[in-house]
Amino acid sequence: EVQLVESGGGLVQPGGSLRLSCAASGFTFNIYEMNWVRQAPGKGLEWVSYISTSGSTVLYTDSVKGRFTISRDNAKNSLYLQMNSLRAEDTAVYYCARDYRSQEFGTRIDYWGQGALVTVSS
Amino acid sequence: DIQMTQSPSSLSTSVGDRVTITCRASQSISRYLNWYQQKPGKAPKLLIYAASNLQSGVPSRFSGSGSGTDFTLTITSLQPEDFATYYCQQSYSSRTFGQGTKVEIK
Repeated sequence: EVQLVESGGGLVQPGGSLRLSCAASGFTFNIYEMNWVRQAPGKGLEWVSYISTSGSTVLYTDSVKGRFTISRDNAKNSLYLQMNSLRAEDTAVYYCARDYRSQEFGTRIDYWGQGALVTVSS
Repeated sequence: DIQMTQSPSSLSTSVGDRVTITCRASQSISRYLNWYQQKPGKAPKLLIYAASNLQSGVPSRFSGSGSGTDFTLTITSLQPEDFATYYCQQSYSSRTFGQGTKVEIK
């Protein structure tokens, strides 16, 4: 059974840092691309970041570029999101999400974690 | 960046009704369009990938169509468990979600 379990969320002051982790199990982690997707309270889904299987390619939404860093450790079956210079508008549930890629159909997110709440407030 | 616009933002409907949600991309995305369903307090669930392909385990009352910039998600004969928020997402260039469509009980 595929499982994605986020951890590391919590309350942080504006300007502070937090590191989210996602522990993957039930599949061969190193052959899947991964994402972080967030959802502010009462709002819609927002894609945040993507990482390739090897970690050589990373992408970010504009609002987090230069502040957030996505990484992975394939030996530990883990995905990370280092979040620095946090702002109130970064308050959200952060989901770890697996990409499924096929040559014919492109990519889609086929599995999601349960989410980790990050609250940025003084 | 590619922008995704869904309409309507919300709709009130009844069990048994047919529901159509549209999603428009700011530029052509071929057929690289996915649809998700999300219920309160839960992670999203993949319904349709590549515009019209039903994800395994998803009921056949869900269908998708479109290509280029205009796409639709159709639910025939809405069931009680279908009241939820639906999101489109493009995977042509990076990834972007639409703002969501909340399907509510009339």
